Amino acid sequence: SQQGEEDPQALSIQEGENATMNCSYKTSINNLQWYRQNSGRGLVHLILIRSNEREKHSGRLRVTLDTSKKSSSLLITASRAADTASYFCATAIYGNNRLAFGKGNQVVVIP
Amino acid sequence: NAGVTQTPKFRVLKTGQSMTLLCAQDMNHEYMYWYRQDPGMGLRLIHYSVGEGTTAKGEVPDGYNVSRLKKQNFLLGLESAAPSQTSVYFCASRPTWGGRTGELFFGEGSRLTVL
Repeated sequence: SQQGEEDPQALSIQEGENATMNCSYKTSINNLQWYRQNSGRGLVHLILIRSNEREKHSGRLRVTLDTSKKSSSLLITASRAADTASYFCATAIYGNNRLAFGKGNQVVVIP
Repeated sequence: NAGVTQTPKFRVLKTGQSMTLLCAQDMNHEYMYWYRQDPGMGLRLIHYSVGEGTTAKGEVPDGYNVSRLKKQNFLLGLESAAPSQTSVYFCASRPTWGGRTGELFFGEGSRLTVL
């Protein structure tokens, strides 16, 4: 079964605005990761947040993790047209060698 | 440094035909994975390998076989292709990370159509 579930599924914003995506999961995790996929390309790792971390930043990306609610959010600030992509969350479970991916959020940034 | 390379990038098969997708990584990674991506379904794990000579089933292994004879290569085989196997297939690899699952490095995908 899918561990991560992103919400909303599709987002359309103007360049310069912020984009926020949420991800929920069902079981205890070791870490949660976000990936970006441009159209027709492979997934690219953006950021990893460990279960004992609450917030992490990387450039214009901000990720939060709330283990009590089993949810995470990805914020992209000052969006650019180049941020147009699908964004996936993925969870790593203790004692498991794999990542379980959500269904993805499609983000369109309008210039 | 090529990273993760998948071949072929595109393939059209007829129902019942067989084929093999090759994934090669040059990063000396222990772990390798095959996912399939279908519209609205996200990525689903088919098979994976934790090291040379080992393989394990993922979420959707039926109809697929894999082999990891060399550390750098992970092969995905379809013995008798079915239209339900029309999909985009992604290979990924990662290094050992203290027993935890860290960042995956993905190939560019192999688009397979079964008629």
